[in-house]
Amino acid sequence: GAVVSQHPSWVICKSGTSVKIECRSLDFQATTMFWYRQFPKQSLMLMATSNEGSKATYEQGVEKDKFLINHASLTLSTLTVTSAHPEDSSFYICSARITTGSSYNEQFFGPGTRLTVL
Amino acid sequence: DAKTTQPPSMDCAEGRAANLPCNHSTISGNEYVYWYRQIHSQGPQYIIHGLKNNETNEMASLIITEDRKSSTLILPHATLRDTAVYYCIVRLKTSYDKVIFGPGTSLSVIP
Repeated sequence: GAVVSQHPSWVICKSGTSVKIECRSLDFQATTMFWYRQFPKQSLMLMATSNEGSKATYEQGVEKDKFLINHASLTLSTLTVTSAHPEDSSFYICSARITTGSSYNEQFFGPGTRLTVL
Repeated sequence: DAKTTQPPSMDCAEGRAANLPCNHSTISGNEYVYWYRQIHSQGPQYIIHGLKNNETNEMASLIITEDRKSSTLILPHATLRDTAVYYCIVRLKTSYDKVIFGPGTSLSVIP
């Protein structure tokens, strides 16, 4: 149980285009999901907290107008990288917080999405 | 704020126990010690967590010192598939706490 999926697993796009990444909790409902970014040879950096039915909370230094987050249902959060540029190329990872059962308040991570902007 | 300190890298011979240390001298009484690992180009994988007592599951053992200022993750019989970056994280188990990653320890299991 507690599986989180991401789609796509990798994407290549042209500079200036927008890219949407989906994060789904497959077997549980998640009122809160998190988005992380990871550059090569670095650790994961938390970008924002996605809350179902309300606005996302962004970490300091993360541009909310560039990284649009929509958490429209209890099993889906999306991250849209708008007007992507080569410096946005990174590994994007989501996680979902489980709020029932023995794993209460644990976070489970998706497999990640590799974004390459040409 | 860096709540944990880990060595940047370690080697371990295949089949041997891998002992990964973590210092968390400022841990508060209600904070848990969590361990995750990340195999190259994959998402983080939960390994184990504990509060005060030592814990063991099918993947690893977690030894927490009595003063809770440090802990050790033990992989009893390391395999090549255990090569990964291991993250020690201190956090509350509350609805408002988030998993914040430090640099972790890059473990290389050598044949």
